[in-house]
Amino acid sequence: EIVLTQSPDTLSLSPGESATLFCRASPLVTTNYLAWYQHKPGHAPRLVMFAATSRASGIPDRFSGSGSGTNFTLTISRLEPEDFAVFYCQQYQGTPRTFGHGTRVEI
Amino acid sequence: QEQLVESGGGVVQPGGSLRLSCTVPSFISKYSFLHWVRQAPGKGLEWVAVISFDGSKIYSADSLKGRFTISRDTSKNTLFLKMTSLSADDTAVYYCAKSSTMSTSPFDHWGQGTLVTVSS
Repeated sequence: EIVLTQSPDTLSLSPGESATLFCRASPLVTTNYLAWYQHKPGHAPRLVMFAATSRASGIPDRFSGSGSGTNFTLTISRLEPEDFAVFYCQQYQGTPRTFGHGTRVEI
Repeated sequence: QEQLVESGGGVVQPGGSLRLSCTVPSFISKYSFLHWVRQAPGKGLEWVAVISFDGSKIYSADSLKGRFTISRDTSKNTLFLKMTSLSADDTAVYYCAKSSTMSTSPFDHWGQGTLVTVSS
């Protein structure tokens, strides 16, 4: 089973600032099948990034993903009020699919 | 964007059973792989189980120890999760989600979840 560790637990930022979220995989995700999801309370989670670096449909270009193997990063430039949420990374290289514990991006 | 819609949650006593349903829009259902994911209060997301579009392939989390059974009725575009021997640890919001393949594509559609509370 691939264990994903996210950091930091919480990011306290203001609109207009940038957010950098980290996700470390052990063992490594050899296929780069790594996704990021945005989750707001009472809402369905939303796919933001897939294959580590590809933006999902409808996701603005202020979201970007990078990394491979063990270390992955989600960067949100110029935070908008609607961006504040909990973000989870997930590997889908095989089953069981595993998630990180989440990073809360808060104002 | 059409979403998946879960139902069937509620309060159940420890040791009890419950069956959740998820209605899948028809344009999503065909050839899709459907999953259940749960989130306990104050916790992160936990993958529960997956079923292939024709029901021939099923995988579940080892931690569930066979207590949960995933199934689908393709003719009714509905996904199910039968849960037995429930304990307080199973209290969570249960989400259904869809992927295009068994294990090489992300969850691109989700429901809003249904809350299951296990309490006496």
